[in-house]
Amino acid sequence: GDSVTQMEGPVTLSEEAFLTINCTYTATGYPSLFWYVQYPGEGLQLLLKATKADDKGSNKGFEATYRKETTSFHLEKGSVQVSDSAVYFCALSGYSSYKLIFGSGTRLLVRP
Amino acid sequence: GAGVSQSPSNKVTEKGKDVELRCDPISGHTALYWYRQRLGQGLEFLIYFQGNSAPDKSGLPSDRFSAERTGESVSTLTIQRTQQEDSAVYLCASSFPGGPGLGELFFGEGSRLTVL
Repeated sequence: GDSVTQMEGPVTLSEEAFLTINCTYTATGYPSLFWYVQYPGEGLQLLLKATKADDKGSNKGFEATYRKETTSFHLEKGSVQVSDSAVYFCALSGYSSYKLIFGSGTRLLVRP
Repeated sequence: GAGVSQSPSNKVTEKGKDVELRCDPISGHTALYWYRQRLGQGLEFLIYFQGNSAPDKSGLPSDRFSAERTGESVSTLTIQRTQQEDSAVYLCASSFPGGPGLGELFFGEGSRLTVL
């Protein structure tokens, strides 16, 4: 079945460092790919998404490119801030599917 | 408020007791989902509602788990005869029809269940 694998955390970075959180997927067909973020004390919220190969999703300085050849959707940010400390979840949805399949989440801690 | 509301936010119960978890979705969202997140693990799909019907209950882990939705609004997840392995955060999400491929899921903050 469809699945998502993301790097284990926690990831600890200093402010202004470059961030990469790896995500790979297994799916039939052409899924849509998502990154959700959960800030402390809040519900998960959509960070960005891409619906077809080579699409780049971006939001709040974060980017991820849908790479079908490597079945990946790595999350990147050029300069992280303390406020980016959160848990990041990679997810996929099959074409016309009603549900999201999530990875296990990666906790990011950014130190001042 | 305008977001997905879940209650209780925290529930501690004894093994063998029944618990009910409530979700109030965003008004107008006909799709509603329940997920479970065990400590250190990803989100595990439990059940999906479209309106008041549940076309996919495949994620419910046992017959001790049930869920209902009324008035295309509030949903209740019931766990009977709770076990320690039921301890987790139970997350509810809602969306417009069409699912995440077309739109966005909006999540509540979750109900943390601890079974002693």
